[in-house]
Amino acid sequence: RKEVEQDPGPFNVPEGATVAFNCTYSNSASQSFFWYRQDCRKEPKLLMSVYSSGNEDGRFTAQLNRASQYISLLIRDSKLSDSATYLCVVDYGGSQGNLIFGKGTKLSVKP
Amino acid sequence: DTGVSQDPRHKITKRGQNVTFRCDPISEHNRLYWYRQTLGQGPEFLTYFQNEAQLEKSRLLSDRFSAERPKGSFSTLEIQRTEQGDSAMYLCASSLMTAETQYFGPGTRLLVL
Repeated sequence: RKEVEQDPGPFNVPEGATVAFNCTYSNSASQSFFWYRQDCRKEPKLLMSVYSSGNEDGRFTAQLNRASQYISLLIRDSKLSDSATYLCVVDYGGSQGNLIFGKGTKLSVKP
Repeated sequence: DTGVSQDPRHKITKRGQNVTFRCDPISEHNRLYWYRQTLGQGPEFLTYFQNEAQLEKSRLLSDRFSAERPKGSFSTLEIQRTEQGDSAMYLCASSLMTAETQYFGPGTRLLVL
């Protein structure tokens, strides 16, 4: 079983659509969870951290279910500028600090 | 620009040559990480430093790879006797010791011919 698994992409959606990405992780010791965004041929950039209580940042909502080891990202009212690859990221567990990345899910928002 | 910087941004080399990459982290960040990313994959952890101490190395880091952070500021990653399979984007990230958020540099794209 891979350590972080994400929905296979690509997701092709029209502007204004709502899109959801799912992710599961295998290490129950993981304590920190993130969604990063990566544009083509660029570095990953933090989109948002994910907390147990769930958190929202504008059109983006992240949820964490520790019991199911499941993370989600919801994007409402998609914009053309949301087109990117979204990476689900968890920490390795313990104090190492290194992150485990999923393969990413590519989102393409069309006019 | 006060973000993470990497140099060079692109490197083309012939198989068997040695290459060295440099990373300058955000100045107050104690932790520095190296990752490798190939096409269609997420970044894969290679190694990390806390100040000048190298605390963790991945199994991906073969004996041809070496990383240093001699003064706890910038870091170098050297690959000796490069192989075609080393072709990838090499990403550096940094974070505060007590915080989890890692900030990535623009990466060095390596092509081994």
